[in-house]
Amino acid sequence: NAGVMQNPRHLVRRRGQEARLRCSPMKGHSHVYWYRQLPEEGLKFMVYLQKENIIDESGMPKERFSAEFPKEGPSILRIQQVVRGDSAAYFCASSPAQGLLNQPQHFGDGTRLSIL
Amino acid sequence: QQQVKQSPQSLIVQKGGISIINCAYENTAFDYFPWYQQFPGKGPALLIAIRPDVSEKKEGRFTISFNKSAKQFSLHIMDSQPGDSATYFCAASGIGGSRLTFGEGTQLTVNP
Repeated sequence: NAGVMQNPRHLVRRRGQEARLRCSPMKGHSHVYWYRQLPEEGLKFMVYLQKENIIDESGMPKERFSAEFPKEGPSILRIQQVVRGDSAAYFCASSPAQGLLNQPQHFGDGTRLSIL
Repeated sequence: QQQVKQSPQSLIVQKGGISIINCAYENTAFDYFPWYQQFPGKGPALLIAIRPDVSEKKEGRFTISFNKSAKQFSLHIMDSQPGDSATYFCAASGIGGSRLTFGEGTQLTVNP
């Protein structure tokens, strides 16, 4: 009965290090979305994945950022060589398989990334 | 064209009053319009959603009004309670499970 699970909840990294954020979708959900929320701002889309496929990565920076959703295990958002501007809350959402009608996206409680 | 504009940025209402938050969009390909509620330190929680084939949807104290010709939609919270104090986001997406485009959020405070 678990919802979308994200870990860690808080992550502190120094400039130049790597950050790995994990997301386990709700049971039965095969679609995962990652969003970023800067302080006092709305959520911005980053990437949309299905199992083993990236469907839409148009919101993700071209460099340093990558995402995967393997056949087994959680989805991973990876940020290499982090900079101060990467400090934000990163949210994962999941949904059932989408048809012509949109299925609701359910969000986890996010990972708060702080860069020293 | 992908933006969703939300207003007001902040809203203060008295307990028992009506809270009204408005959103406008440009992209006519949007066909799904959810509202999310977010408490500090938590993720957004889906409140209510509407598709453009209806003009209004009500669930409990929450109502979405939708004006397709004006490309606007709004959230009404009836009998607002202090527990409703949170940040509210409108969003929109296109057909078939595409990404959500969010408004900038409205911080609602309901005074007891």
